[in-house]
Amino acid sequence: ETGVTQSPTHLIKTRGQQVTLRCSSQSGHNTVSWYQQALGQGPQFIFQYYREEENGRGNFPPRFSGLQFPNYSSELNVNALELDDSALYLCASSAGGVVSGYTFGSGTRLTVV
Amino acid sequence: QQQVKQSPQSLIVQKGGISIINCAYENTAFDYFPWYQQFPGKGPALLIAIRPDVSEKKEGRFTISFNKSAKQFSLHIMDSQPGDSATYFCAASVGETSGSRLTFGEGTQLTVNP
Repeated sequence: ETGVTQSPTHLIKTRGQQVTLRCSSQSGHNTVSWYQQALGQGPQFIFQYYREEENGRGNFPPRFSGLQFPNYSSELNVNALELDDSALYLCASSAGGVVSGYTFGSGTRLTVV
Repeated sequence: QQQVKQSPQSLIVQKGGISIINCAYENTAFDYFPWYQQFPGKGPALLIAIRPDVSEKKEGRFTISFNKSAKQFSLHIMDSQPGDSATYFCAASVGETSGSRLTFGEGTQLTVNP
């Protein structure tokens, strides 16, 4: 299977709730990064996982957490949702962590009300 | 902290014209500079990239110009077509390998009128 698949495509949550976003990467892509893209802005790096271990983190609080699984899938979890968490969340994967080899998914649009 | 600044925010060009988008960066450790194209409802897709050891890279109608001393780089789209209408992001990273992260500009919404 080729490409990066994210689910769900759209999600509406209430402030204070928790959310899990999912990403399925291409076979062999052992690195996954998550980005937050607010409306009208460029994506901002949340964190990266390499072979199931966190391998770098951006300026996001600990309530943003992740997991990467051996089957090249991954999750982004956000606890205690805030209104400002409303954004498009993008997953990008690559083989060997090469940034130039990133393939981005189409994202999950999260709306917090 | 915006480490990569992009301009203009929006750009309207006639079909066949030249589209020019500019970016400036602050972190001198950046050594990989890609441009991404994003269509509505899609994730960003790599368009073209450059490393600072060259001043220009051309791929088809797309050219990156790089000025290391000024810490600026730009994307030129020659013979712009309506299908080029999209949002363009410049980005930068320190290295290209595991642990590297992309720092994106704020994006330029390009509209090419027929």
